[in-house]
Amino acid sequence: QVQLQESGPGLVKPSETLSLTCAVSGYPMSSGYHWGWVRQPPGKVLEWIGSVHHSGTTYYNPPLKSRVTISVDTSKNQFSLNLRSVTASDTALYYCVRDASTGPLVVFDIWGEGTMVTVSS
Amino acid sequence: SSELTQDPTVSVALGQTVRITCQGDSLRNYYASWYQQKPGQAPILVIYDKNNRPSGIPDRFSGSSSGNTASLTISGAQAEDEADYYCNSRDSSGHDAVFGGGTQLTVL
Repeated sequence: QVQLQESGPGLVKPSETLSLTCAVSGYPMSSGYHWGWVRQPPGKVLEWIGSVHHSGTTYYNPPLKSRVTISVDTSKNQFSLNLRSVTASDTALYYCVRDASTGPLVVFDIWGEGTMVTVSS
Repeated sequence: SSELTQDPTVSVALGQTVRITCQGDSLRNYYASWYQQKPGQAPILVIYDKNNRPSGIPDRFSGSSSGNTASLTISGAQAEDEADYYCNSRDSSGHDAVFGGGTQLTVL
C-alpha cells in the first residue's frame, strides 16, 4: 500500500530554513496526484501549507506563500518542503500527505506519521 | 480563525448516534472531507466527496451536506470512535484548502 515517511531536523533556529523531505513508497509519484504538507502546532488545529503536482506545479496557502517552497523529485519518489525565516510560531507537527483533491473536492487521503519540528535557539 | 466552523466538543452515549457539523459559506459550492485523529496519531480520512468511505472505514460513518453545513454522522458510536474530528474543504475563494477547528468527540 502507499506509505509516506517524513524526515528532517527536529530543531531549527529562528530565522533559518526548515527543510523536510517526504519519501513515498508503494506508488510512483510520476503516475499522478498532488502531494502536500499539513502542519499542526501543539494543541492546535490542522493547517494546509501547500501542495505540488507531480509535474511540479505548486499551490500554497496564502499566509505562508512568501516563505514556502514545495518541490518534487519523481526520480527519487519524494517531495520536499522548505519554509524560510522561521519563528517560534512555526513549531509544529508536520505531516506529508497525498493530495487527491480534484474540482470541488479537497481530500488528503494518505498521511505520513508526522515529524515534530521545534523552532528554538 | 478558520472559514469552517465546528463545535469544539460533542459527546454521545455508547451505541447512540451523533452528528458532527461543519459550517462555512464555501460548503455551498464545495464538498467536505472528514478526518479522525486520535491522540498521538496522524489523522485518517473517514469520509470524502458526497458520502464516500475509504476502504477499512466502518459503515457507521456517513456524510451529508445541506446549504452551508456539512455533517459527519456516526450511527452506533463505539468507544474507539472517541477522537478529534476535522472537516476540510476549499476556502471561499475556491483556490485553497482549509480545515475546520476540530470537534473533540467523547463517547460516554
